[in-house]
Amino acid sequence: EAQVTQNPRYLITVTGKKLTVTCSQNMNHEYMSWYRQDPGLGLRQIYYSMNVEVTDKGDVPEGYKVSRKEKRNFPLILESPSPNQTSLYFCASSPNNEKLFFGSGTQLSVL
Amino acid sequence: GQNIDQPTEMTATEGAIVQINCTYQTSGFNGLFWYQQHAGEAPTFLSYNVLDGLEEKGRFSSFLSRSKGYSYLLLKELQMKDSASYLCAPYNAGNMLTFGGGTRLMVKP
Repeated sequence: EAQVTQNPRYLITVTGKKLTVTCSQNMNHEYMSWYRQDPGLGLRQIYYSMNVEVTDKGDVPEGYKVSRKEKRNFPLILESPSPNQTSLYFCASSPNNEKLFFGSGTQLSVL
Repeated sequence: GQNIDQPTEMTATEGAIVQINCTYQTSGFNGLFWYQQHAGEAPTFLSYNVLDGLEEKGRFSSFLSRSKGYSYLLLKELQMKDSASYLCAPYNAGNMLTFGGGTRLMVKP
């Protein structure tokens, strides 16, 4: 089944403890992206990647890192999480930089 | 940057028709997406308009006017399961897809 898989689905952590949210797609898509969704602010893009080893900042990249060492994986790294990074995160991929296929989301709480 | 404006909430009755408007200002416009998002779930693709005009897909239709920076999503024969948020998302030449805050639609019996 073609899908975008994010893990974990829920995560509670404490300020400053490094964490990684994984994202994997099995559709051989070149484009992948991370979004965060907050009430009243909609979906905001964090980082995106046009292909392997190519990543670019979105609208809200501060406090986040990504890597794209292989086409299928695009992990989101929070080196030192803070409470303002509590949010719902979505990974997405696309075959042509247009129609996005979203993962199920990761609800992150930073205490 | 991009400015996207759509109503925050709308309410409609089962079986009725509802139109959700979206206005946008963006540079290097390529097209406009509409996504549906049920509470707690991931957005799912509804439509993508590149050219001016109306595109119909079953009970859902989407309209675009590039010169006016305006789009709408038209939902016919509303069903309770259509209660969701509807996200307007212009796509620009810089490979940026920007989402509006979404319109939360509540369908009542």
